[in-house]
Amino acid sequence: GEDVEQSLFLSVREGDSSVINCTYTDSSSTYLYWYKQEPGAGLQLLTYIFSNMDMKQDQRLTVLLNKKDKHLSLRIADTQTGDSAIYFCAPAQDDYKLSFGAGTTVTVRA
Amino acid sequence: DAGVTQSPTHLIKTRGQQVTLRCSPKSGHDTVSWYQQALGQGPQFIFQYYEEEERQRGNFPDRFSGHQFPNYSSELNVNALLLGDSALYLCASSQPGLAANEQFFGPGTRLTVL
Repeated sequence: GEDVEQSLFLSVREGDSSVINCTYTDSSSTYLYWYKQEPGAGLQLLTYIFSNMDMKQDQRLTVLLNKKDKHLSLRIADTQTGDSAIYFCAPAQDDYKLSFGAGTTVTVRA
Repeated sequence: DAGVTQSPTHLIKTRGQQVTLRCSPKSGHDTVSWYQQALGQGPQFIFQYYEEEERQRGNFPDRFSGHQFPNYSSELNVNALLLGDSALYLCASSQPGLAANEQFFGPGTRLTVL
């Protein structure tokens, strides 16, 4: 099955940029998603990228994909306290089965 | 536009019991997937329902079963509960063929097995 690895924790100062990294093993994923989870809540879809793209920008979010290295990153510009949460990258297998790692807990400090 | 809804919010059961969790998909979606999220971990795919049939299944035992109704809502049933079944159960809906086939998640059902 698909293995997804992310660093567990990231601490960032308010107003700075956050970069969350993800590596995965299944190169056949057509879509790769980023989700956000706040304490006690479900998952909120943030953005996604098609596997034939290198970059996608969506307001404060920038997704970079290096398909050769199977590396995905999410950059959050001007990080705010409301961005404190757990972030998951989720490559899709067979176009509908999402695989998740343990997620990256982002803490925004004043 | 109502998003994905799940019921109940919380549930406490004892070992050996059976439980049924419910999910209503986002309006316009016909596909429902179920995920189990243990504490401190990412969600794990259980199975997906499309056109009232189980389309794909993750690495979960037969104690986990499901159903999809003609209105696209879905149930997840777990028999002979074990302590290790304690988790947040998430339902996600999607509409294959639309854009990037995004899956939208509900708030989850927190199951505690004592």
